[in-house]
Amino acid sequence: TQLLEQSPQFLSIQEGENLTVYCNSSSVFSSLQWYRQEPGEGPVLLVTVVTGGEVKKLKRLTFQFGDARKDSSLHITAAQPGDTGLYLCAGVEAAGNKLTFGGGTRVLVKP
Amino acid sequence: DAGITQSPRHKVTETGTPVTLRCHQTENHRYMYWYRQDPGHGLRLIHYSYGVKDTDKGEVSDGYSVSRSKTEDFLLTLESATSSQTSVYFCAISESRTGAIDGYTFGSGTRLTVV
Repeated sequence: TQLLEQSPQFLSIQEGENLTVYCNSSSVFSSLQWYRQEPGEGPVLLVTVVTGGEVKKLKRLTFQFGDARKDSSLHITAAQPGDTGLYLCAGVEAAGNKLTFGGGTRVLVKP
Repeated sequence: DAGITQSPRHKVTETGTPVTLRCHQTENHRYMYWYRQDPGHGLRLIHYSYGVKDTDKGEVSDGYSVSRSKTEDFLLTLESATSSQTSVYFCAISESRTGAIDGYTFGSGTRLTVV
């Protein structure tokens, strides 16, 4: 069992649809990050959230950190084929000093 | 200009041979990391460095060693490659230990196949 559980593991949608990816844990995190990874490349940081209840927007992407700082979600509005990739959440436990990654959600947006 | 580069990008090697992967950064970041990425396991930390000649083990360090003789270079060595070490290896850098604010910057990866 991973410290950070992502769901779903795989998501296939049509262009223009909305999607939500979840990142859950039983631990409290001092901060949480979301990365996107494209085939043949390394993950690229999208956002960092540090305050419980925080919401950040990056164009059509909306990131939310749970009030209790145990979970996070990523919502994409009107998905485009360019949103296709592996989405990874990563967090630092409140009492820890390392970054732990979730298993990832693979998103496929069909034209 | 990429602030972090990995070499080689692809390598095929035989079981039992030593293999060294190189990570080079131009950002002067203190922290450097080696991860492996496998289906079903996500990214797992092998070793990390918090300064020149300062390194520590991650969660999957068995069979691997690292060295950092200069700020900009972090080497990962598979002492005697096994088929279970077939994977994609990523190097990452950060200014802080946890990357809590600035995040990690990853290289493009090295795909290693052990036959």
